[in-house]
Amino acid sequence: AQRVTQPEKLLSVFKGAPVELKCNYSYSGSPELFWYVQYSRQRLQLLLRHISRESIKGFTADLNKGETSFHLKKPFAQEEDSAMYYCALTGGNQGGKLIFGQGTELSVKP
Amino acid sequence: EAGVAQSPRYKIIEKRQSVAFWCNPISGHATLYWYQQILGQGPKLLIQFQNNGVVDDSQLPKDRFSAERLKGVDSTLKIQPAKLEDSAVYLCASRLAGGDNEQFFGPGTRLTVL
Repeated sequence: AQRVTQPEKLLSVFKGAPVELKCNYSYSGSPELFWYVQYSRQRLQLLLRHISRESIKGFTADLNKGETSFHLKKPFAQEEDSAMYYCALTGGNQGGKLIFGQGTELSVKP
Repeated sequence: EAGVAQSPRYKIIEKRQSVAFWCNPISGHATLYWYQQILGQGPKLLIQFQNNGVVDDSQLPKDRFSAERLKGVDSTLKIQPAKLEDSAVYLCASRLAGGDNEQFFGPGTRLTVL
């Protein structure tokens, strides 16, 4: 079955602390993995995807096929990082259809 | 570039009533998606269009939900009759066909069924 699991509903850290949002997936094949973010009162938007291998707003995510994970990391959290984060995947022949995890709310305290 | 537009932004109805949501995708985006997001969950695909044709409606409850994209641009999603469990945010997203897999989301319509 195709599934994305985000084990933490809420992650609370202090400003300047490292943060890691976990994402595990189940997919038979080679999926494309994404992190989407939703800031307060804004629409859902793409943060980063594994194929681009880039850092956005200080966030990085590495696809680990052996552990079927795509954890999102940032070494020093900022208050403006507070948001809902969704991990998602799509498969090669799915027309871009996204399968989302249930989301993790990141709260960065001053 | 204008983003994906949706209306209305909020809707409150009673169970057994009908409701319709409208979506206008980004100009030139051939692929359009409707997702349902229940509180505390991630979005779940209801239906996917490529131009005016349905690509995937396997998770659409067809006894009460319907959607169309007659001219391959705007789309309408309808629920008739609504149930309490249909309370959710309905998200529309669009994507360039043949491009990368980035989807652009609208602001959503929050439906409350009483």
